[in-house]
Amino acid sequence: QITLKESGPTLVKPTQTLTLTCTFSGFSLSTNGVGVGWIRQPPGEALEWLALTYWDDDERYSPSLKSRLTVTKDTSKNQVVLTMTNMDPVDTATYYCARRRSFKISGWTFWDFDYWGQGILVTVSS
Amino acid sequence: EIVMTQSPLSLPVTPGESASISCRSSQSLLHSNGNHYLDWYLQKPGKSPQLLIYLGSNRASGVPDRFSGSGSGTDFTLKISRVEAEDVGVYYCLQDLQIPYTFGQGTKLEIK
Repeated sequence: QITLKESGPTLVKPTQTLTLTCTFSGFSLSTNGVGVGWIRQPPGEALEWLALTYWDDDERYSPSLKSRLTVTKDTSKNQVVLTMTNMDPVDTATYYCARRRSFKISGWTFWDFDYWGQGILVTVSS
Repeated sequence: EIVMTQSPLSLPVTPGESASISCRSSQSLLHSNGNHYLDWYLQKPGKSPQLLIYLGSNRASGVPDRFSGSGSGTDFTLKISRVEAEDVGVYYCLQDLQIPYTFGQGTKLEIK
């Protein structure tokens, strides 16, 4: 059974750094073709993709937030950590982590987010 | 950045009837491998998003065959035949052809 769960502070002050942890089970980030991504959703708004980390240490970031984001993985603990600096009230959102799975069709590799965590609401306020 | 535009944003449906959601991208989502990098997700009330359709038209594991995806280039459609009460929620399309991956604004399906 595959599960993911986000943890971290639910309230941060403006200018502070947010650190969220995604703890997962049922798969390993040392397995070829696996990744974990972060997606957020401001209250009542749409989803926004933030970042990805893969089994091979590849990392991808949303260009608009790249200067503020860092994703690190701890394969032994089955955890992925998202760090976002200089938090602002507009960063108030539910933050999700999700497994990025790969699959092959006709020799090509494809990806999707097949399992998601429950999400954690982070409020940025003084 | 590829912009994803969904319509309608709100979709009231009578149970048993069909429903269609449109998703348009600002650039073609067709890859040189012949596949369209377009997924559909459903976020049920108070829940996390769940994968419905990948590569434009492939149902994810466990998804009822009432759900179907179609389209090409920049125009895609999610069709739900025989809508049931459990289908309520917000439907999102996602393009993962190009970084940043981008979602549509969401379409809220509700039961009349």
